[in-house]
Amino acid sequence: AQTVTQSQPEMSVQEAETVTLSCTYDTSENNYYLFWYKQPPSRQMILVIRQEAYKQQNATENRFSVNFQKAAKSFSLKISDSQLGDTAMYFCAFIPLGGTSYGKLTFGQGTILTVHP
Amino acid sequence: NAGVMQNPRHLVRRRGQEARLRCSPVKGHSHVYWYRQLPEEGLKFMVYLQKENIIDESGMPKERFSAEFPKEGPSILRIQQVVRGDSAAYFCASSLRGVSGANVLTFGAGSRLTVL
Repeated sequence: AQTVTQSQPEMSVQEAETVTLSCTYDTSENNYYLFWYKQPPSRQMILVIRQEAYKQQNATENRFSVNFQKAAKSFSLKISDSQLGDTAMYFCAFIPLGGTSYGKLTFGQGTILTVHP
Repeated sequence: NAGVMQNPRHLVRRRGQEARLRCSPVKGHSHVYWYRQLPEEGLKFMVYLQKENIIDESGMPKERFSAEFPKEGPSILRIQQVVRGDSAAYFCASSLRGVSGANVLTFGAGSRLTVL
């Protein structure tokens, strides 16, 4: 079974600064995907970024980037130039490739990020 | 192209009543997933359906919960004889094909069930 752990229940950052959210996971799988989802107060789940485990290059999407350390099973999210609209709950999620994984994402507990003006 | 549509957004039920939550997937998506989010927790997988078939219901409670995705119409998550512990946000997601990571899930905005 896979587990995903987000050890920071809450984080805060000043507007325009950089913040890093932590995520670790445990799995015996070798091929998998990792995701960061954003859940603003509207509760809509929004995909922020994803990483394929077989790719060594860290994924980036504009102000969002990840630090993927496969050996350490670590997958942190860095948000640069934080904006007020980044205030949300952030979830790290995992899915193995193949087998019977289907859409069975395993989510962490979430980190509440507050961006202060 | 509308995203995943869930209704109702908010549903209040008294203990013992039935709750029905509906999900219309993204147009063209034939794979539907239901997740539950308890207060202060992440989402937990409940069930995976394709048209007229339940593929994986390993996350569904053994009693009172059922799901369907008929040939025509939305997917329905049905909770019979609700109890206070059923109070949660229920999210539906859809994908074009079975998820492999490359085919990511598109989530709806969720239905919040409150049991009095």
